[in-house]
Amino acid sequence: SQQGEEDPQALSIQEGENATMNCSYKTSINNLQWYRQNSGRGLVHLILIRSNEREKHSGRLRVTLDTSKKSSSLLITASRAADTASYFCATDRGGSNYKLTFGKGTLLTVNP
Amino acid sequence: DADVTQTPRNRITKTGKRIMLECSQTKGHDRMYWYRQDPGLGLRLIYYSFDVKDINKGEISDGYSVSRQAQAKFSLSLESAIPNQTALYFCATSGGRISGANVLTFGAGSRLTVL
Repeated sequence: SQQGEEDPQALSIQEGENATMNCSYKTSINNLQWYRQNSGRGLVHLILIRSNEREKHSGRLRVTLDTSKKSSSLLITASRAADTASYFCATDRGGSNYKLTFGKGTLLTVNP
Repeated sequence: DADVTQTPRNRITKTGKRIMLECSQTKGHDRMYWYRQDPGLGLRLIYYSFDVKDINKGEISDGYSVSRQAQAKFSLSLESAIPNQTALYFCATSGGRISGANVLTFGAGSRLTVL
């Protein structure tokens, strides 16, 4: 079963605008990761936030984590056409369970 | 060369045929995974392996089998392909809990169509 669920399923914005994607999950986690997938290609790891962290930055990416609400958000600032891709959250429950569980993804389209 | 290489990249086959998808990696990672991606369903784990002697079923292993021939090689087989196995298949690796995190490196994918 899916652990993470992204919202919205699809997002279309203009270049230069900010894009915010959300992820909700059901069980406690060790960390949450965001991945990016260009159309038909493999996923690429973007950023990881641990359960004891509330916010993390990497370049134009900002990730927040609210463990009380079991939710995370990914903000891409000053978006570019090259940011067009699908974005997936993945949860790691820790312990001996070394598997990542992926959500269904948000398709972001950045229009030039 | 890519860190994680999948072959073939595209394959069209017929119902009932045996298909093998191969994955090799140069990352030196112990852990390898096979995921399946279907439109609107995200990625679902088929099988995973933590080392050569360790094979584990994922959430959708029925109809699939795997072989971990070496640390660097992990193949996925469909013994008798059926149309609902038409999907994009990804191999991924991880070095385990380095710095306490399990981050995956993905191959480029193998698109399988079963007619």
